[in-house]
Amino acid sequence: AQSVTQLGSHVSVSEGALVLLRCNYSSSVPPYLFWYVQYPNQGLQLLLKYTTGATLVKGINGFEAEFKKSETSFHLTKPSAHMSDAAEYFCAVTRRNTNAGKSTFGDGTTLTVKP
Amino acid sequence: DTAVSQTPKYLVTQMGNDKSIKCEQNLGHDTMYWYKQDSKKFLKIMFSYNNKELIINETVPNRFSPKSPDKAHLNLHINSLELGDSAVYFCASSQGGTNNEQYFGPGTRLTVT
Repeated sequence: AQSVTQLGSHVSVSEGALVLLRCNYSSSVPPYLFWYVQYPNQGLQLLLKYTTGATLVKGINGFEAEFKKSETSFHLTKPSAHMSDAAEYFCAVTRRNTNAGKSTFGDGTTLTVKP
Repeated sequence: DTAVSQTPKYLVTQMGNDKSIKCEQNLGHDTMYWYKQDSKKFLKIMFSYNNKELIINETVPNRFSPKSPDKAHLNLHINSLELGDSAVYFCASSQGGTNNEQYFGPGTRLTVT
């Protein structure tokens, strides 16, 4: 079975500061990895994903994440936070080579950006 | 054009009633999902259909019944609503196979009084 742990349910940063949201997974084989963002009163939207190839993945809005197999991690970063980044962030994993497409989501991290 | 749409956006009803939520996607995806998001923002998958066939059926009360008339539509019917059913319900779709990026609808906020 696969699982996802997001360390820190709430993260607060100042505008312009580094954003670091942590995600660790547990899976028998390295899964596909995703980060989604949910703005208030909206559905989730994809920020970035890792399927294969380069382990540093760049996404939308200046976010990036690095897949580290040895650490079973896929942490999300952004060099400089913007007020508009305040949202809920979800890490998700999907087992490879499956047609069921079931994703396991972490519990989410609320990002607050202070002026 | 909205990729994944849900109706209604808000639903307020009394305990014991029966209600339905509709979902449509125009992305040509093969797989559709229903998720429940509780007040703490935890996201839990409920059902998944692939080409109108039920493939994921998590531990959900049998008062919840999904129905997929075609691969572009996945509806959720809830019988005998309870207070604990109050949540935001999200529909999502994806192209099955190795690339499982999901596209989410805007959500339906269900309030049971």
